[in-house]
Amino acid sequence: AQTVTQSQPEMSVQEAETVTLSCTYDTSESDYYLFWYKQPPSRQMILVIRQEAYKQQNATENRFSVNFQKAAKSFSLKISDSQLGDAAMYFCAYRSALGGGADGLTFGKGTHLIIQP
Amino acid sequence: KAGVTQTPRYLIKTRGQQVTLSCSPISGHRSVSWYQQTPGQGLQFLFEYFSETQRNKGNFPGRFSGRQFSNSRSEMNVSTLELGDSALYLCASSHEPATRETQYFGPGTRLLVL
Repeated sequence: AQTVTQSQPEMSVQEAETVTLSCTYDTSESDYYLFWYKQPPSRQMILVIRQEAYKQQNATENRFSVNFQKAAKSFSLKISDSQLGDAAMYFCAYRSALGGGADGLTFGKGTHLIIQP
Repeated sequence: KAGVTQTPRYLIKTRGQQVTLSCSPISGHRSVSWYQQTPGQGLQFLFEYFSETQRNKGNFPGRFSGRQFSNSRSEMNVSTLELGDSALYLCASSHEPATRETQYFGPGTRLLVL
């Protein structure tokens, strides 16, 4: 079974600065998808960014970018120019590209990101 | 386009009762997945439905069941409720089976079992 580990339960950053959230995963598969989801206090889970394992290029969405290191099984999220609205729980998630399994999305435990004004 | 909707948003039940939660996917989405979120266990996959068929199932007891209707709306049922079933239940939808698709989540149903 795949596992996803987020080693930072909580991170704090000053507004306008850059912060990096860590995520590592364990899998024996070669084809999979990785995601970062954001869950603000409203509890609505919002997709931040997605990465296909077969793509070497790191995904980027505006101020959000990832550093995907397939060999190291690492998938960190960098948030540039942090804004107060970025404050939330951030979850790293894995999904196998192989259908038919009973896995769904496998989530890490989350990192609570605090933005200091 | 409207997002994923879940009803009810909050629910209080007592042990031994049963509960049904509803999820309406984004228009045009045919795949619906359910997740349970608790402080102790985090987010765990319950099951996925596509074209009215259960496609995948997570490691949950048989008290947890679901179904999907022809309009892609899905319901989740929990029978003989236990205190440990208190959780936020999240529904997510995608166009096709979620293996290769990004899933979009609803706001969740918060269930409290007393």
